Amino acid sequence: DGGITQSPKYLFRKEGQNVTLSCEQNLNHDAMYWYRQDPGQGLRLIYYSQIVNDFQKGDIAEGYSVSREKKESFPLTVTSAQKNPTAFYLCASSTTRGGGYGYTFGSGTRLTVV
Amino acid sequence: GQQLNQSPQSMFIQEGEDVSMNCTSSSIFNTWLWYKQDPGEGPVLLIALYKAGELTSNGRLTAQFGITRKDSFLNISASIPSDVGIYFCAGQPGNMLTFGGGTRLMVKP
Repeated sequence: DGGITQSPKYLFRKEGQNVTLSCEQNLNHDAMYWYRQDPGQGLRLIYYSQIVNDFQKGDIAEGYSVSREKKESFPLTVTSAQKNPTAFYLCASSTTRGGGYGYTFGSGTRLTVV
Repeated sequence: GQQLNQSPQSMFIQEGEDVSMNCTSSSIFNTWLWYKQDPGEGPVLLIALYKAGELTSNGRLTAQFGITRKDSFLNISASIPSDVGIYFCAGQPGNMLTFGGGTRLMVKP
């Protein structure tokens, strides 16, 4: 079955460390996205990529970095420059061919700074 | 980016009650989508709407694409405990989605 997989489900990070969240999809989608969700809050866009080897900053890109070397993969690195990284991170993917199919989301990674 | 105005932000439901929520925008959208997010999971698509005035049902859920193309409504009939979660509306003018802030459904104690 096609889908989008995020790993790990839970991640703990010490202050000052970088950490990378994995996102892999086998839906043959061109576009991929990273969102941050804080408790009781909505979705805030961190980065997105509409094609391999290209990506754009979203609304809250500071302290984060991404790469898109393969169509299937869009890892997110939370750097030590991110002052408040504890949150729930969601990855999503979509076709860029229109049709209004929306996004397919992964099941999320909960990052906690200890 | 722009967020849609989704209301209410939260509401308590009692089993058997009908629930209504809506989203409004200052922009016109070609597509309206409604997602549900269970605690600790990613959002899942419930209903997609493609035409102004369209009314679409999915079981106990009914959603409408507003005539002005600037709003959408979601109704849940005869709510059950598993309806709790966060419901997000999303508008799609092109390839990317704009999300509402979410409506959190909780069970009345």
